[in-house]
Amino acid sequence: EAGVTQFPSHSVIEKGQTVTLRCDPISGHDNLYWYRRVMGKEIKFLLHFVKESKQDESGMPNNRFLAERTGGTYSTLKVQPAELEDSGVYFCASGSTGTSGNTIYFGEGSWLTVV
Amino acid sequence: GQSLEQPSEVTAVEGAIVQINCTYQTSGFYGLSWYQQHDGGAPTFLSYNALDGLEETGRFSSFLSRSDSYGYLLLQELQMKDSASYFCAVRDKGRRALTFGSGTRLQVQP
Repeated sequence: EAGVTQFPSHSVIEKGQTVTLRCDPISGHDNLYWYRRVMGKEIKFLLHFVKESKQDESGMPNNRFLAERTGGTYSTLKVQPAELEDSGVYFCASGSTGTSGNTIYFGEGSWLTVV
Repeated sequence: GQSLEQPSEVTAVEGAIVQINCTYQTSGFYGLSWYQQHDGGAPTFLSYNALDGLEETGRFSSFLSRSDSYGYLLLQELQMKDSASYFCAVRDKGRRALTFGSGTRLQVQP
């Protein structure tokens, strides 16, 4: 069974440019989460999808960040325009509805560097 | 809201035992989880405690005391490959997604 996959694995962009990160969750997982880790700090929650609906987007830092999950399968996270402080590792995770929500499966992350 | 505290770094030698503590504050509580992350890799699930007591999985054990809002991860017979960051995480009534601590970087030395 394929795990959570993320693309691109690494991206270097200039301040003001746009980047779109993609996440393919484990097949059949309704729950999809985006997290970010900046400068070795905590893994910080961004938002949570249940199928195609945004369950919780309270962690999104500002309106430069836009996440979608059309059709309830893969998800994209767009940063537009990117700022220097957006640099970090963006993790996607998925989990099935049948679990308690405490066991989620992470992708290897998309490393974003804004210069 | 939620907050978690864990030590930033721990160093131990091969074969030793190490305990990584985690204290948390949540509005409601649905359990404490532990995740391991090797440098450059994906965080991976280690254990989950919903009730008080000790859960053992091989060399790793996790403990929870809900009355103290405290838990720990115990790693025995340390191996070099255990060098990684370890995160505690909680889920509470206010948010269905996990909230993670800042992570404890474990360095295992020969």
